[in-house]
Amino acid sequence: DQQVKQNSPSLSVQEGRISILNCDYTNSMFDYFLWYKKYPAEGPTFLISISSIKDKNEDGRFTVFLNKSAKHLSLHIVPSQPGDSAVYFCAASPGGTSYGKLTFGQGTILTVHP
Amino acid sequence: GAVVSQHPSRVICKSGTSVKIECRSLDFQATTMFWYRQFPKQSLMLMATSNEGSKATYEQGVEKDKFLINHASLTLSTLTVTSAHPEDSSFYICSAPTQGFIGNSPLHFGNGTRLTVT
Repeated sequence: DQQVKQNSPSLSVQEGRISILNCDYTNSMFDYFLWYKKYPAEGPTFLISISSIKDKNEDGRFTVFLNKSAKHLSLHIVPSQPGDSAVYFCAASPGGTSYGKLTFGQGTILTVHP
Repeated sequence: GAVVSQHPSRVICKSGTSVKIECRSLDFQATTMFWYRQFPKQSLMLMATSNEGSKATYEQGVEKDKFLINHASLTLSTLTVTSAHPEDSSFYICSAPTQGFIGNSPLHFGNGTRLTVT
């Protein structure tokens, strides 16, 4: 039972354009959502997060949108840069004392072309 | 810079031997750390929660006698893969919240350990 899904295994974007990565979840107990960037043989690097009480959080080129009613979140990267090419994982947490117990999606490979 | 340090980054061992992986929080105390595993082309899966001063809690399907976790101090958790077999070959990663459970602090991950059992 995949509680967090990233239905697009890959995304290809031109440099300077917007990258939109999507994530859906099924467990309504998730209270906190995070996006990570990962390279092979390395640990995930935290990018941005959002609490369920918000619908948008912005940090530089990264913006995360949360639609609780649709159980959907997305990560927008504007403008995209070749250095953004990596695997992106969304993750969800029930919050509280189980905050660190993340459920990850399958990941989306983002390729930004110069 | 890295806030969670993991060692070793890569280890190859023979079947039947045990391997210890260390996870350290740098410049902060972590009463709780988390251990994940990633098989090739799959997502990260939570294995267990490491608790300082008490027993680790394991996710369903994870053998506690095979994956021994010791949270020796407020900055160190170790995962020992006992009697390793080739099917244990995987990428093991630890994480720790930098501010405990307060304020939904970012969860930082170590750089992972690639375990290959021959």
